[in-house]
Amino acid sequence: DIVMTQSPDSLAVSLGERATINCKSSQSVLYSSDNKNYLAWYQQKPGQPPKLLVYWASTRESGVPDRFSGSGSGTDFTLTISSLQPEDVAVYYCQQYYSSPDTFGQGTKLEIK
Amino acid sequence: QVQLQQSGPGLVKPSQTLSLTCAISGDSVSSNSATWNWVRQSPSRGLEWLGRTYYKSKWYNDYAVSVKSRININPDTSKNQFSLQLNSVTPEDTAVYYCARRIAVARTAYGLDVWGQGTTVTVSS
Repeated sequence: DIVMTQSPDSLAVSLGERATINCKSSQSVLYSSDNKNYLAWYQQKPGQPPKLLVYWASTRESGVPDRFSGSGSGTDFTLTISSLQPEDVAVYYCQQYYSSPDTFGQGTKLEIK
Repeated sequence: QVQLQQSGPGLVKPSQTLSLTCAISGDSVSSNSATWNWVRQSPSRGLEWLGRTYYKSKWYNDYAVSVKSRININPDTSKNQFSLQLNSVTPEDTAVYYCARRIAVARTAYGLDVWGQGTTVTVSS
């Protein structure tokens, strides 16, 4: 199985400031047939299911604010929130779906400083 | 708008079978461009993908090795839903269980874009 490792485990950022979460996969998730990285980012708030934010490493899901952006390729990926808002307090997960089974990172808890 | 509605018991006795259903509205379980997944979440195991069912000219299933000997995911085309059965449960199967959709067109797949509301399942006598 591909192991997904996120850093940091928790993060406190001031309102309006940038938040950066990293994700590393144990092997490349770049699918050669379509040149897409099969890496997604999710946001989860208490009592709710995860919400898809980004897929293919950098494509924002419809309706997701443009302060959320994903980047990276191969094995190293980043989720950036450009200007933290109060409603962004949540746990964030990366997930690879390049090979079965899908695997998730351990999560990064984002709080307001 | 696609929605997934989960149903099933919240308490299961050890050694018995956990059974959950996910009813689909706004899409079809027989769609050639979607896979239908089960994911669970617990403090000890985090988010864990359990398996999926999908139709590409015929039905396919794909399961996580950790549960492969105990799991069945079945589509029900008459009710437009799919189900999870997990046999011989132990307290380690206590978790929140989610169903989720992934769009997969040709050889390209997307993220898990629609999720059920989650069902908290406790395994206890």
